[in-house]
Amino acid sequence: AQSVTQPDIHITVSEGASLELRCNYSYGATPYLFWYVQSPGQGLQLLLKYFSGDTLVQGIKGFEAEFKRSQSSFNLRKPSVHWSDAAEYFCAVEGRDDKIIFGKGTRLHILP
Amino acid sequence: GAVVSQHPSRVICKSGTSVKIECRSLDFQATTMFWYRQFPKQSLMLMATSNEGSKATYEQGVEKDKFLINHASLTLSTLTVTSAHPEDSSFYICSARDGVSQETQYFGPGTRLLVL
Repeated sequence: AQSVTQPDIHITVSEGASLELRCNYSYGATPYLFWYVQSPGQGLQLLLKYFSGDTLVQGIKGFEAEFKRSQSSFNLRKPSVHWSDAAEYFCAVEGRDDKIIFGKGTRLHILP
Repeated sequence: GAVVSQHPSRVICKSGTSVKIECRSLDFQATTMFWYRQFPKQSLMLMATSNEGSKATYEQGVEKDKFLINHASLTLSTLTVTSAHPEDSSFYICSARDGVSQETQYFGPGTRLLVL
């Protein structure tokens, strides 16, 4: 069965610093991979997705993620975070059955 | 991009009553819609898959008689929480897949349900 692991429940970085959020997945084939962001009390916003092709994916708001098949990882990165990036980030995987399975999320805190 | 709406955005009801939540795809036809629930500070858990014109498929542990799902058209799915109890209080989010492009699922803004 497919699963997603986000090992960091909370991450704190200073404004302007670089960011990397970790995500590992378990799936028998190449999955569809996603990163979503959720602000408190709000719905989900898609940051980026990987279906196939170039393993480095560019998303909105300056985010990027790299698919590494050998490590079963899809880590999210941003070179310089802004205070407005503080939110909950979810990594997700979609299998052939169209079901999206979410990781438990990583809460990002930004220090001024 | 594609838009999915949910109505209502917030609802408060008394214990024992039923609540209906609508999920609409506004500018595309969705043959498949999905319903998730999210408890405070937790992740989204898939409840069921809703297919237009057929019965919904529920995930293990989800009571199909309590969470009634109807997908009567290609743009509308409804989730009815029957005989709601305080433990049903949660954030319910739907998503819809574009039946033509078959790519990304688009998520609605969510519905906050509070059962008193």
